Amino acid sequence: ETGVTQTPRHLVMGMTNKKSLKCEQHLGHNAMYWYKQSAKKPLELMFVYSLEERVENNSVPSRFSPECPNSSHLFLHLHTLQPEDSALYLCASSLRGGGVPETQYFGPGTRLLVL
Amino acid sequence: RKEVEQDPGPFNVPEGATVAFNCTYSNSASQSFFWYRQDCRKEPKLLMSVYSSGNEDGRFTAQLNRASQYISLLIRDSKLSDSATYLCVVNEGYNFNKFYFGSGTKLNVKP
Repeated sequence: ETGVTQTPRHLVMGMTNKKSLKCEQHLGHNAMYWYKQSAKKPLELMFVYSLEERVENNSVPSRFSPECPNSSHLFLHLHTLQPEDSALYLCASSLRGGGVPETQYFGPGTRLLVL
Repeated sequence: RKEVEQDPGPFNVPEGATVAFNCTYSNSASQSFFWYRQDCRKEPKLLMSVYSSGNEDGRFTAQLNRASQYISLLIRDSKLSDSATYLCVVNEGYNFNKFYFGSGTKLNVKP
């Protein structure tokens, strides 16, 4: 399935590095999401973009910075991360206003390790 | 209190068994409900939406109980390939960003 793609699939970075995660959706959706999944924890919503509106989880540290240049692309810029930021980062998309229930479709994720 | 709660398991069942999971949610205004399946080190994939009248898809049956605020997933005739973590997801419906995920229930189907 290639509805939602993410690159890179794996990333190892030092705490002083700057990197970016990329997500692209080919489903014609109008909302995109970043989630963080740590071991044994539920998915944690980080950011949402929909119809050019951005919603964020206030508990997400400023070392994570999202960018959504259009409805098909979503980035997550990373800088000065901490080891506890190591996790699976999942991108999802959905069609808002396309009918009930609104359903999310996920990309394969980027597995991030911060050393 | 968590918005969505699930028994983490694991549920260890033999092939051919019937197994059921429940999931409770805290917000009575929740509008839509889903079961996702997540394989080890993979992304969640939609298994089925859960409708008020209940719905069935092959060996899988989902039920919603609004009065008691829980949803259930029943798997009949378990296959080895059903081994995965099953995530309960609840959406308040009026705010598109209000998807709440449970921590998941792990199922191991053994030969």
